[in-house]
Formats: sequence, structure tokens, C-alpha cells
Amino acid sequence: NAGVMQNPRHLVRRRGQEARLRCSPMKGHSHVYWYRQLPEEGLKFMVYLQKENIIDESGMPKERFSAEFPKEGPSILRIQQVVRGDSAAYFCASSASGMKETQYFGPGTRLLVL
Amino acid sequence: GENVEQHPSTLSVQEGDSAVIKCTYSDSASNYFPWYKQELGKGPQLIIDIRSNVGEKKDQRIAVTLNKTAKHFSLHITETQPEDSAVYFCAASNTNAGKSTFGDGTTLTVKP
Repeated sequence: NAGVMQNPRHLVRRRGQEARLRCSPMKGHSHVYWYRQLPEEGLKFMVYLQKENIIDESGMPKERFSAEFPKEGPSILRIQQVVRGDSAAYFCASSASGMKETQYFGPGTRLLVL
Repeated sequence: GENVEQHPSTLSVQEGDSAVIKCTYSDSASNYFPWYKQELGKGPQLIIDIRSNVGEKKDQRIAVTLNKTAKHFSLHITETQPEDSAVYFCAASNTNAGKSTFGDGTTLTVKP
């Protein structure tokens, strides 16, 4: 029974490029959450999605960041025109419908912006 | 919004001793409190959780207590082992809202 999967595990981008981070939730889970973790810091909520819907994006920067969770395929966190301050670990979590508070995390994507 | 404070930020104990990590929260609507363990280079792993209708929960060497009146909850690890060394995060959430607010983490070091 596969857990939450994220790819790539490591991503290097130059300033101004785009970063696309993918998250496949656990089988049977329809809720996805994205968090950002800066070095030596805790997890900061970014966005909460259900299939085809953004439920809460209160933690998402207003510019350059977007997220989607299509009917088919993984959830995507997209960062346009990356800057050095975007360097962080990005974690995805998923939960089952009706148990949205129990979140299971993926291994994360470590983004480095040069 | 919710604000979660976690203490201490670092904790060092001798193998076999107990470790206690404390968290406070601000939103009285929060009703679910999970604890996560994060090892270096990995994602957070759920180790135990407690809901607001329960005061204490235990799972082998790990226990969590919740005081809703005071808005604080604690993680207790007994008979610590070197493999317990990791960063531990508490979180608080309102299950009607879905998102969790995390504490800043406690780095636990268990010395053999």
C-alpha cells in the first residue's frame, strides 16, 4: 500500500525558471495539502485542495505560486519565476474523505534556486 | 487564526530517561492534535494524535495529554532510545477547516 509520493525529490532551478512539484496522494485519499519548510523551521501551510477544487489557499503567496489537483493525475504545485527565497522543502500531505484532519506526509521535494 | 507554540526548541536526554515536549494553542475551536516525528531528509511521520473529547492517549512508550481548558497538550516519551532522536512537531487543527497549524519543532537528541 503505497504512501504519499512526491517527485522530484530534489529540484535545482536558476532564478527566473519555473518549478513544478508533483504529489500523488495515498490510494483512496481525495484531500491534498501543501506545506513549505524553510531550513531549521517548522511547516507552514500553503494550500488545501480536493479533487478539482481549491478549498483554502490562505497560506499561498499571491504571486507566482499556484496549485491544482485535477480529476485525473497528481496534484501540482507550480512556482513561476523562482527566486532564491523559494529554496525550501515542500511537503505534500493527503487525507481520506471524511477524515480530513488525519494527514499523511510524503517525503518532500527539496527545491534549490541558484 | 490559530497560533501554536512549542517548547523546548531543543532537548537532550540520556538513553532511558523520559522526554516531554509541550505545546500551547490559541483557537478554542481546534479539536484535533497530532504529533509528528521527522527524521533528517524525510517527511513528517504521524506518531500519535488526540482529539478534544479525550484527555490522554498512550501507545507503548509514547503518550499525549490534552488540557482543553488551558489550551495545552504534551508529548511524553518514556525509556528513550537513540532512534528516538529526531525533530518532533505538534499541530492543532479544526476538523471543520481541514488545515493544521504546526509548532516550530523540537530537536530531540537521545545520548547513548
